[in-house]
Amino acid sequence: QVQLQESGPGLVKPSETLSLTCAVSGGSIGRGGYYWSWIRQRPGKGLEWVGYIFDTGNTYFNPSLKNRASISFDTSESRFSLNLESVTAADTAVYFCARQRALIIGFDFWGQGALVTVSS
Amino acid sequence: EIVLTQSPATLPSSPGETVTLSCRASESVATFIAWYQQHPGQAPRLLIYDASVRATDVPQRFSATGSDTDFTLTITRLEPEDFAFYYCQQRSNWPPQLTFGGGTKVEI
Repeated sequence: QVQLQESGPGLVKPSETLSLTCAVSGGSIGRGGYYWSWIRQRPGKGLEWVGYIFDTGNTYFNPSLKNRASISFDTSESRFSLNLESVTAADTAVYFCARQRALIIGFDFWGQGALVTVSS
Repeated sequence: EIVLTQSPATLPSSPGETVTLSCRASESVATFIAWYQQHPGQAPRLLIYDASVRATDVPQRFSATGSDTDFTLTITRLEPEDFAFYYCQQRSNWPPQLTFGGGTKVEI
C-alpha cells in the first residue's frame, strides 16, 4: 500500500520560502508511470492545484503562482519536495501531496496534509 | 484556464435519499474528470476517475456520467458517512493544467 507523508515547518514568515517534503513509502518514486503533485486548501476553502512533477522530471505549475513554485525529486530518499518563494498570508493553507497514475485522471493516493501558516 | 462550476453549493439531504451533483466545465474536457469526497480535517478520497470509473473500494452506490462539458455524480441511498464535501477535477492535455470545482457540500 502506497503511503505519502508531508513534513516541513508549520510557520513561515512573509517574503520567505515555504519548503515541504513528501515521503513516499510502499512504492518506488523513481518508477515510471506516475505523476506527483502538490495541492493546497486554504482555511475553509476548496482545493487548489499547486503543481506536478512527472516521472520524466518535467514540472508544471498553476499559473496563478506566478513562477514562485518549484518541485524536485530525491529518488534516493523516495521523496519529492515543494518550494514556494516570497510567501504571503494568502499562501496559508493545508498542503497535500498526492500521486496520479499516468494516463488516469485522478489522484489515487494522498498524504494527510500539512498546515503551513504564513505569519510574522 | 478551464473553470469547473459545481452545483448546488450545498445539498440538504437525508439518509436513504438519492442525490445528484453537477459539474460543468467552461470548455470541453472530454472525459478527463475525477470526483473526490472529503470529510473535514481529512485528505480527499478519489471516488471516480476518467469521468465514470469507480476507484478501488468505492461502493457501487457512487456512480458518475458525462463527457464534454457536463458531468454528474449520483449517490444512491445515502449512508451517514456520505455526508461530506465533493469536488470534481479536470486536467487539460497540454500544457498539463489542473483545476478543481468549488465543491458541493452534502449535508443532513
